[in-house]
Amino acid sequence: DTAVSQTPKYLVTQMGNDKSIKCEQNLGHDTMYWYKQDSKKFLKIMFSYNNKELIINETVPNRFSPKSPDKAHLNLHINSLELGDSAVYFCASKASHRADSTDTQYFGPGTRLTVL
Amino acid sequence: DAKTTQPPSMDCAEGRAANLPCNHSTISGNEYVYWYRQIHSQGPQYIIHGLKNNETNEMASLIITEDRKSSTLILPHATLRDTAVYYCIVHVTGTASKLTFGTGTRLQVTL
Repeated sequence: DTAVSQTPKYLVTQMGNDKSIKCEQNLGHDTMYWYKQDSKKFLKIMFSYNNKELIINETVPNRFSPKSPDKAHLNLHINSLELGDSAVYFCASKASHRADSTDTQYFGPGTRLTVL
Repeated sequence: DAKTTQPPSMDCAEGRAANLPCNHSTISGNEYVYWYRQIHSQGPQYIIHGLKNNETNEMASLIITEDRKSSTLILPHATLRDTAVYYCIVHVTGTASKLTFGTGTRLQVTL
């Protein structure tokens, strides 16, 4: 039983194309994230949604548009892909409002995007 | 969120304890210390966290100094599968909280 799943695992596309990455979690969490890990292995947060509402947007270009149809899903759509978008994108989720203050995030396996 | 400083790399013999240090001298009173690891481009994996007291779970132990300015993650019996990049992160918990990953420590476990 995969807790946080992403599709596709690999995505190779041409510059200028539009593509989407999907993320689903079956943990019953209400907060989900997208992270980007570049070629230098720096892992940076991009977006966070809580109960389908955007709560964190880390000055990501507006070519990137997250969409959360429900609490269990957070998809990432990228318009007009550029070479610099090549990276591994990770989805994550966590439960909010925990009385024990646990703030653990659970990550998906990643989607390796290559823009040619 | 407070910044952390970790050594870029460490080696450990299999079966030995791996002690990974982290400095967080600017940590504030409501910030937790979290440890995650990333095994060869897989998604980061939660290991352990703590506020003031030392913590232990099935994966590791976390030792936090009394002044909370530094901590040590201990893997008691390292195996080859523990080879990974280990990230020490301090942050305030909450709905709008976020993890700010640094460069971490690359732990290489050898035979």
